[in-house]
Amino acid sequence: SQQGEEDPQALSIQEGENATMNCSYKTSINNLQWYRQNSGRGLVHLILIRSNEREKHSGRLRVTLDTSKKSSSLLITASRAADTASYFCATDAWNAGNMLTFGGGTRLMVKP
Amino acid sequence: KAGVTQTPRYLIKTRGQQVTLSCSPISGHRSVSWYQQTPGQGLQFLFEYFSETQRNKGNFPGRFSGRQFSNSRSEMNVSTLELGDSALYLCASSPLTGVGGYTFGSGTRLTVV
Repeated sequence: SQQGEEDPQALSIQEGENATMNCSYKTSINNLQWYRQNSGRGLVHLILIRSNEREKHSGRLRVTLDTSKKSSSLLITASRAADTASYFCATDAWNAGNMLTFGGGTRLMVKP
Repeated sequence: KAGVTQTPRYLIKTRGQQVTLSCSPISGHRSVSWYQQTPGQGLQFLFEYFSETQRNKGNFPGRFSGRQFSNSRSEMNVSTLELGDSALYLCASSPLTGVGGYTFGSGTRLTVV
């Protein structure tokens, strides 16, 4: 079963705009990660944030984590057509090894 | 360095048959995890192997099994295929377990007819 929900399920923006995706989860976590998937291919790891961190940046990506609300957000700034993909959050729990629990994903379309 | 290699890329099987999928992790990675992705259920964890031992198993029937070899390559097997087993099967490798940041393969697209 999925850990939580992602919001929105689909997002369409113009190139250059910012895209924000939200993820909620249900249980205590160790890490939260974001992945990108292009057209049903493999997942590409974007960024990992640990449960004791609140914000993390990587290039045009900014991730926040609010463990009190069990939620995270992914911000992509100055989006490009190449950012068109599905984005998934995934959590792992303490003592659960490499078992990731994924959200349902957000389909992002960036129009040139 | 080479990424995670999954073979075959595409597979068509008949209901009732069995299938074996292969995953070669990044050199030096000892953990391999398997996931099933379907439009209805999304991405679901199947199992994880670390140093040839199964560490975790997801909520799948016993028809789904796996193993890991001494060179860390992993296989998963599905017996008595059902139409609902049609999915993209992804494997992920990691040097350790529980540290995040996994590298995924491109997946095997299994179609059961």
